[in-house]
Amino acid sequence: GAGVSQSPSNKVTEKGKDVELRCDPISGHTALYWYRQSLGQGLEFLIYFQGNSAPDKSGLPSDRFSAERTGGSVSTLTIQRTQQEDSAVYLCASSLEAGGAYEQYFGPGTRLTVT
Amino acid sequence: QKEVEQDPGPLSVPEGAIVSLNCTYSNSAFQYFMWYRQYSRKGPELLMYTYSSGNKEDGRFTAQVDKSSKYISLFIRDSQPSDSATYLCAMYNTDKLIFGTGTRLQVFP
Repeated sequence: GAGVSQSPSNKVTEKGKDVELRCDPISGHTALYWYRQSLGQGLEFLIYFQGNSAPDKSGLPSDRFSAERTGGSVSTLTIQRTQQEDSAVYLCASSLEAGGAYEQYFGPGTRLTVT
Repeated sequence: QKEVEQDPGPLSVPEGAIVSLNCTYSNSAFQYFMWYRQYSRKGPELLMYTYSSGNKEDGRFTAQVDKSSKYISLFIRDSQPSDSATYLCAMYNTDKLIFGTGTRLQVFP
């Protein structure tokens, strides 16, 4: 079946602009996760959703970052007033449920470059 | 100190070699231990996960967990050039995964 999809695959934006990154999880997966991977770094947790609720937003680096999920499916990660340090690959993952977070499946990522 | 430590490599081995990849961790509450493979410019792919201590085998891959030492390993037998990738260990903590920084593996023919 279809895996996790993300769009766009690449995004180049100017410093100060807002960007929206989209994630479409595996059908039937109720839990959805956002991570950030910077050059030479491991994956950094940002936020997770169980259904449309976000019980853990602890990884969002600043109030410029926000995320929402609607209909228990698609999620959007928004970065306002982008900064150069926001340049990274943003990865989305999903699992059948939050209790099964040890079995997460990742999308291909969105590579964000802030110039 | 990071919760999960992983040698970044790179690790370069000849085709057919046995590869050993390792991670250490500090949080004794971790119960699930995962290995992901990530090819260049791709998302991580779940290879296998292990619950608590012990071994798990899947084809050429064997995962080992030693909770007493807070040490996990992934062994790859008969390594192939197609195994060349970055290998990420991850630990499950309540509602999220904590990742190591990844070890880059290069298998040359």
